[in-house]
Amino acid sequence: ELKVEQNPLFLSMQEEKNYTIYCNYSTTSDRLYWYRQDPGKSLESLFVLLSNGAVKQEGRLMASLDTKARLSTLHITAAVHDLSATYFCAVEGSRLTFGEGTQLTVNP
Amino acid sequence: EAGVAQSPRYKIIEKRQSVAFWCNPISGHATLYWYQQILGQGPKLLIQFQNNGVVDDSQLPKDRFSAERLKGVDSTLKIQPAKLEDSAVYLCASSFRDKNTEAFFGQGTRLTVV
Repeated sequence: ELKVEQNPLFLSMQEEKNYTIYCNYSTTSDRLYWYRQDPGKSLESLFVLLSNGAVKQEGRLMASLDTKARLSTLHITAAVHDLSATYFCAVEGSRLTFGEGTQLTVNP
Repeated sequence: EAGVAQSPRYKIIEKRQSVAFWCNPISGHATLYWYQQILGQGPKLLIQFQNNGVVDDSQLPKDRFSAERLKGVDSTLKIQPAKLEDSAVYLCASSFRDKNTEAFFGQGTRLTVV
């Protein structure tokens, strides 16, 4: 059964500093998603990573996928307050399986 | 393009009562999903439909949960009888097809069982 693990689960960030969230998964997959969820809101799609070595960037967020290591990273550059949210990775296997989420808080 | 619509947004019921949630997917999307998201956790798939057929319901507690997707469009998820541990947000999502296409999520229904 596919297992997806994120770390850290909680991340308190300072503005203007850089951070990375890690997403490990247990079985082979070549399709991974990153979602953002604000409190009380639904899931907003951020990135779809389709192959080994895929890298996508949007604003201060950059996601990458290493299918051989079964690892995806979400890198945050120069954090700002409006990035505060919970971020989920989800891996497509027999079903779409989500990690536990990483709760990001950006402090001044 | 209209998104995935869900109702109600919030529901409070007593344990042992029944409840139903409704979902209208994005037009043209053949695949519909119901997820359960317990506070502080990632969403967990309950059931996946392809058109009006069930593709995966292996994680659906079938003794109390049921779902249908008549005519391959709208779907309802029912819980009867509800337990305290069913308190969660129930998210509906849809995608164009079942594999290799992105799923889009609705706003969810927050269920509180007291």
